[in-house]
Amino acid sequence: DIQMTQSPSSLSASVGDKVTFTCRASQNINTYLNWYQQKPGKAPNLLIYTASSLQGGVPSRFSGSGSGTDFTLTISSLQLEDFATYYCQQTYSNLLTFGQGTKVEIK
Amino acid sequence: EVQLLESGGDLIQPGGSLRLSCAASGFTFSNYAMSWVRQAPEKGLEWVSSIGGTSGDTYYADTVKGRFTISRDNSKNTLYLQVNRLRAEDTAVYYCVKDQFPNNGHFDAFDIWGQGTMVTVSS
Repeated sequence: DIQMTQSPSSLSASVGDKVTFTCRASQNINTYLNWYQQKPGKAPNLLIYTASSLQGGVPSRFSGSGSGTDFTLTISSLQLEDFATYYCQQTYSNLLTFGQGTKVEIK
Repeated sequence: EVQLLESGGDLIQPGGSLRLSCAASGFTFSNYAMSWVRQAPEKGLEWVSSIGGTSGDTYYADTVKGRFTISRDNSKNTLYLQVNRLRAEDTAVYYCVKDQFPNNGHFDAFDIWGQGTMVTVSS
């Protein structure tokens, strides 16, 4: 199975900060990489698909990049509603896998 | 409006069985692959199983293979997950999720999630 490793596990940031976190695949997954945001008690929400495509309705401050094994999610200017946990997911293999998540907390 | 509504979660003893259901509406159900994703309390997301739209091909995580069975009834717009030989570590919220794009030969991102149904395995 393809393992997905996210870093860091958590980070503290302030409103207005630019935040970047990473996701690494255990093998080449081309650009079959998606990002989700989850707030406490809620179902996850798709942010980015195929590494860099913004899902409809998602603010443009979110962006994704990468290919192969290394990927990043960037929030250009952190807003209060962005404090949440973010998960990456690969869909290269039919045995889909998620990363363990990065929790973004208020500094 | 596209919606997924799960049901069937319960408190069940170890070794027991349940059938989870997911009623879909607002889209042509048969055209889309569907999946189940679970989340144990205070833990991350874990993909459980997927089923193709028209192909009906099924895939399972190693942690559930041989115990769980995914199926769908396209005439009823309903997805199922039969969960057998339950263990304490199966305790989680189970989400029904929809593939983003209609049948295109591989699985896509999950663009629609249900609200989840809780399965608690405890004696």
